[in-house]
Amino acid sequence: SQTIHQWPATLVQPVGSPLSLECTVEGTSNPNLYWYRQAAGRGLQLLFYSVGIGQISSEVPQNLSASRPQDRQFILSSKKLLLSDSGFYLCAWSVFNSPLHFGNGTRLTVT
Amino acid sequence: AQSVTQPDIHITVSEGASLELRCNYSYGATPYLFWYVQSPGQGLQLLLKYFSGDTLVQGIKGFEAEFKRSQSSFNLRKPSVHWSDAAEYFCAVGARILSNFGNEKLTFGTGTRLTIIP
Repeated sequence: SQTIHQWPATLVQPVGSPLSLECTVEGTSNPNLYWYRQAAGRGLQLLFYSVGIGQISSEVPQNLSASRPQDRQFILSSKKLLLSDSGFYLCAWSVFNSPLHFGNGTRLTVT
Repeated sequence: AQSVTQPDIHITVSEGASLELRCNYSYGATPYLFWYVQSPGQGLQLLLKYFSGDTLVQGIKGFEAEFKRSQSSFNLRKPSVHWSDAAEYFCAVGARILSNFGNEKLTFGTGTRLTIIP
């Protein structure tokens, strides 16, 4: 069966520091991969999605970037974090004709 | 661009009572519609989905939802809630990423927090 792993679960980082969140999927090949952000009191916002290795689409202009160095690995990064980057980050995957499957998320607090 | 409105931010119901969570969407074509549930500090779990066909869809944990095109709605229902149903519920509408692909970019509503009282 397929599983998705996200780490770390919780992260506290100072303003201006770099960020790297990692997501890996097991048990499937060539999934679509997604990064969503959930801000307090708001819904989920799609940040990036990827349909293949090295293929990244950005949905909103922001301080973050994403990379997909391997088929089942999706990384969310920032060179310098802002206070507004705080939130709950969710990785998700899907394959043909299937809905999204989410990881357990990373709670990021920028101080 | 598609959008989703969940007009109820917070709903409180008694255990054993019936539940209906409202969802209205805006989308230019036939939508793909989803309901997800999120427990505190956790990821989202799919409850049910509508792609096509029967407008009344059954999901996990005894939930169902009805797609009403004329009302642009996809309300979630459960005849009798349990204390374990307390969570946040998200409605989402999907758009195809590629024309020959079955995967969607989802647009989520802002969620409805459900509280269950004994």
